Amino acid sequence: SAVISQKPSRDICQRGTSLTIQCQVDSQVTMMFWYRQQPGQSLTLIATANQGSEATYESGFVIDKFPISRPNLTFSTLTVSNMSPEDSSIYLCSVALSAGSGVTQYFGPGTRLTVL
Amino acid sequence: GENVEQHPSTLSVQEGDSAVIKCTYSDSASNYFPWYKQELGKGPQLIIDIRSNVGEKKDQRIAVTLNKTAKHFSLHITETQPEDSAVYFCAASKGYSTLTFGKGTMLLVSP
Repeated sequence: SAVISQKPSRDICQRGTSLTIQCQVDSQVTMMFWYRQQPGQSLTLIATANQGSEATYESGFVIDKFPISRPNLTFSTLTVSNMSPEDSSIYLCSVALSAGSGVTQYFGPGTRLTVL
Repeated sequence: GENVEQHPSTLSVQEGDSAVIKCTYSDSASNYFPWYKQELGKGPQLIIDIRSNVGEKKDQRIAVTLNKTAKHFSLHITETQPEDSAVYFCAASKGYSTLTFGKGTMLLVSP
């Protein structure tokens, strides 16, 4: 398995500002993901962040709104830009570790964001 | 793309009873089916998973069964305890592709 930490654990932000969320993993991993979980909802993939390549965004998510950095195999950041109250969610970092013919995915504790 | 349906959305049981959560998937090529438990204020925790080359997997009080013909898989929790109360998510994927999640089941175990 993997031990994943996120900073900050929670934040309250003003409309129009930006927040950068950090994700640190205790081992080197190739595949990292960022998810959004709106209150009472399931997990929605924002983007895949593999080291050495540009992040791949899912439909409905764009780089200008959610820029991602992946400087090395143990760290990534997600920025939520020009925030509005609709961005209030839990943001989760996840990593995939190889297991047999596929991968096993683990999640961080999440960052709880409230936008006023 | 893959679509995962999960039922029920809420489940209330008495302590000691069994709980069963069911999921169906649409893509017959999917071959990996994990289950996650998410407690309030925490991230999802992988509790058990199964790959398509087996039909059942058990870990103490929890088990997962897979029926590839019918394209459904289930989580079984026996002898439930109050600490089992949480939201449970099923998911499906194939190979190295990303997971598709169900909408979640809120399990409440009453003492």
